[in-house]
Amino acid sequence: DAGVIQSPRHEVTEMGQEVTLRCKPISGHDYLFWYRQTMMRGLELLIYFNNNVPIDDSGMPEDRFSAKMPNASFSTLKIQPSEPRDSAVYFCASSLGLAGYNEQFFGPGTRLTVL
Amino acid sequence: GENVEQHPSTLSVQEGDSAVIKCTYSDSASNYFPWYKQELGKRPQLIIDIRSNVGEKKDQRIAVTLNKTAKHFSLHITETQPEDSAVYFCAAKGYGGSQGNLIFGKGTKLSVKP
Repeated sequence: DAGVIQSPRHEVTEMGQEVTLRCKPISGHDYLFWYRQTMMRGLELLIYFNNNVPIDDSGMPEDRFSAKMPNASFSTLKIQPSEPRDSAVYFCASSLGLAGYNEQFFGPGTRLTVL
Repeated sequence: GENVEQHPSTLSVQEGDSAVIKCTYSDSASNYFPWYKQELGKRPQLIIDIRSNVGEKKDQRIAVTLNKTAKHFSLHITETQPEDSAVYFCAAKGYGGSQGNLIFGKGTKLSVKP
């Protein structure tokens, strides 16, 4: 298995532009997580899905952020409009079985820079 | 909800010495505590985990201890090597509104000097 796949690996955009980050979880995994990592705030959970259904989106910072999981093999995290404070590394992770009891496998991350 | 505090934020040791990283959690119902290692520019990866029915777990040079009464757990690395240099994150399984996910500490940057 190729592991969790994220694209793009790097994204540089200008303030106000729409940004879409993509994730393909490990095949068969039923939980998918989106995290944001910054020096100041560490690793923050934004949202997670179980069987394509959003379970907890309390970490989504504001309405500019949205996430979807149209099927078991694909998820997107969208920021519209983007702001410089959104600059961070965004990780997608997946796990098999009950979240919190099973290893979460992280993707390589997307480094987002908003100018 | 669950809150996880991690100390220290940075730790520097000489090669061969031991390193200890400590975490506290707030929710007494939490029962799963993993540790992740993140090398520079890489993704976090699970290195060891412990469940609440166990007080200690070892895997070669790393060990984790859990004190449920005090609600804290620790990562111990013995005979440190330069390749142990990384950021280490502790986590606890969330409950309530965050049921099912992991709450991470802020991380500890470990530097092992040769």
